[in-house]
Amino acid sequence: DAGVTQSPTHLIKTRGQHVTLRCSPISGHKSVSWYQQVLGQGPQFIFQYYEKEERGRGNFPDRFSARQFPNYSSELNVNALLLGDSALYLCASSLAGLPQYFGAGTRLSVL
Amino acid sequence: AQSVTQLDSQVPVFEEAPVELRCNYSSSVSVYLFWYVQYPNQGLQLLLKYLSGSTLVKGINGFEAEFNKSQTSFHLRKPSVHISDTAEYFCAVGSGMRQGGSEKLVFGKGTKLTVNP
Repeated sequence: DAGVTQSPTHLIKTRGQHVTLRCSPISGHKSVSWYQQVLGQGPQFIFQYYEKEERGRGNFPDRFSARQFPNYSSELNVNALLLGDSALYLCASSLAGLPQYFGAGTRLSVL
Repeated sequence: AQSVTQLDSQVPVFEEAPVELRCNYSSSVSVYLFWYVQYPNQGLQLLLKYLSGSTLVKGINGFEAEFNKSQTSFHLRKPSVHISDTAEYFCAVGSGMRQGGSEKLVFGKGTKLTVNP
């Protein structure tokens, strides 16, 4: 079975632009979570979705939004990009509850 | 609020030596504890987890960790490391399951393990 897959793997944007990151969970997993990992730090929680509903949100501005589709895949959207949004964005999936399996991430560079 | 402290930012060791990576947590509710490994330019791979039961947890690649409730610790150990164990290791605490709430992981800042020949 495929693990958690994320696309694209790398992305370069300029300040003020918008970005969409995509995630496909492990087959059968209904919960998807998003984390941001800034260089040299541990990952920080952004969102959790379960059965297409937002279950929780971390301390991130409204420029960050997400959604989960009927097939349980998910998108993370970031508007009005700032230099500080440069990071590795990780998606994790689980049957329900705590995330356990992470994808390889999308590395976003904002110039 | 939950938090995780990884006491060492960098740990250099020689090949075949034992290693311990330290992790302390704080939480006011039932805890679930995890160790992840991250190789350069990759995502996180689950090494092991403590959800309940035996306090000694065995994981992949010969790693194990011991949950110590009184000391609020979850240290990771390996009796003999290999060059290939060079990576960054993250300890994380998860909130207990509760109806209608979010389940999230709070990570430490990581410990960079370097295994030298």
